[in-house]
Amino acid sequence: DIQMTQSPSSLSASVGDRVTITCRASQSIHNYLNWYQQKPGKAPKLLIYAASSLQSGVPSRFSGSGSGTDFTLTISSLQREDFATYYCQQSSSTPELTFGGGTKVEIK
Amino acid sequence: EVQLLESGGGLVQPGGSLRLSCAASGFTFSSYVMSWVRQAPGKGLEWVSAVSGSGGSTYYADSVKGRFTISRDNSKNTLYLQMNSLRAEDTAVYYCAKEGGYCTSTRCYTYIDYWGQGTLVTVSS
Repeated sequence: DIQMTQSPSSLSASVGDRVTITCRASQSIHNYLNWYQQKPGKAPKLLIYAASSLQSGVPSRFSGSGSGTDFTLTISSLQREDFATYYCQQSSSTPELTFGGGTKVEIK
Repeated sequence: EVQLLESGGGLVQPGGSLRLSCAASGFTFSSYVMSWVRQAPGKGLEWVSAVSGSGGSTYYADSVKGRFTISRDNSKNTLYLQMNSLRAEDTAVYYCAKEGGYCTSTRCYTYIDYWGQGTLVTVSS
């Protein structure tokens, strides 16, 4: 089974900061990597698919990169509405879609 | 507009059973893989199970294999999750999810593009 590890598990940042979240796969998943945002009490929302493709309607301050085992989600200038928990998900072994443990982005 | 509406959650004793349903609308239901994803209180997301568009192929996480059964009724646009031998660790919000996809000339990518609002399952005596 493919394991997904995110770091950090939480971070504190201010509005306007550049934020980077890392996701590592236990084996190569090429670029079969998705990112989701989840706010408290809500279902997750797709941000990025295929490691770097922005889902329709998602602000351009979100970007994704990486391939193989190491991936990054970057928020170029953090906005108030971006405070949430972010999850990576591998789709290499679809339809078995393993998630990372999550990264909670909090207000500093 | 795509809508996924779960029902069937509630309180059940350890060892008991529960069946979740997810009514889908706004898309051609039979054309898409459907999944269940759960989230224990204060924890992360865990993929639970998936079923092919025809219903002929099913997939399970090791944590629920042999206890849960996923199925679908394409005539009713409804997804199901039959949960037996429930344990305390199955306590979670269960989300119904639609898998979308995108293909290039060489690869096809899948992701969850729509989620239900979730239904809470609590396993406790």
